Amino acid sequence: RKEVEQDPGPFNVPEGATVAFNCTYSNSASQSFFWYRQDCRKEPKLLMSVYSSGNEDGRFTAQLNRASQYISLLIRDSKLSDSATYLCVVSNDYKLSFGAGTTVTVRA
Amino acid sequence: EADIYQTPRYLVIGTGKKITLECSQTMGHDKMYWYQQDPGMELHLIHYSYGVNSTEKGDLSSESTVSRIRTEHFPLTLESARPSHTSQYLCASNPRGKSYEQYFGPGTRLTVT
Repeated sequence: RKEVEQDPGPFNVPEGATVAFNCTYSNSASQSFFWYRQDCRKEPKLLMSVYSSGNEDGRFTAQLNRASQYISLLIRDSKLSDSATYLCVVSNDYKLSFGAGTTVTVRA
Repeated sequence: EADIYQTPRYLVIGTGKKITLECSQTMGHDKMYWYQQDPGMELHLIHYSYGVNSTEKGDLSSESTVSRIRTEHFPLTLESARPSHTSQYLCASNPRGKSYEQYFGPGTRLTVT
């Protein structure tokens, strides 16, 4: 079983729409959670951390549900520049486990 | 932008050749990593290092080897390339105490014919 599972998408949304997607993780002892962003044929970059209480960074909102072992990301007022693959990442000690990513395409 | 560099960016090479993928960072990070990523798939950790003279194997079995003689340099070597090694190889590093905040190089896209 994969450590991190994501719906690969793609999620095709118009500009200005709200898009949300989840990932699930298998290790209940996982300590920290993050979203990374990876543009086509580029390297991954840290987007934001995910806290149990929920956290926002501009138009992005991340949520963690430890009981159900899932993490969510919501993007409000989508921009063309939000088109990317979003990687769900789980940390145990020093190691990061990456999901395969959810692809979001924002169209004009 | 992160100061982490990889060369070459693209490499097409024949089976049986020895290759070294270079990775350097100028951020003074102790921890460095090598990941392998196929299109549409997750990143798999193949090697990591805590610092100079430290190297460890990651989760994904790999026929490659690494060395860490200098803090800034973490090369990966394949002694005999095979078509199954065709993939994207990403190098990363993180600041002390922030293993979650990994900075990635642009990657080397390797094709073995």
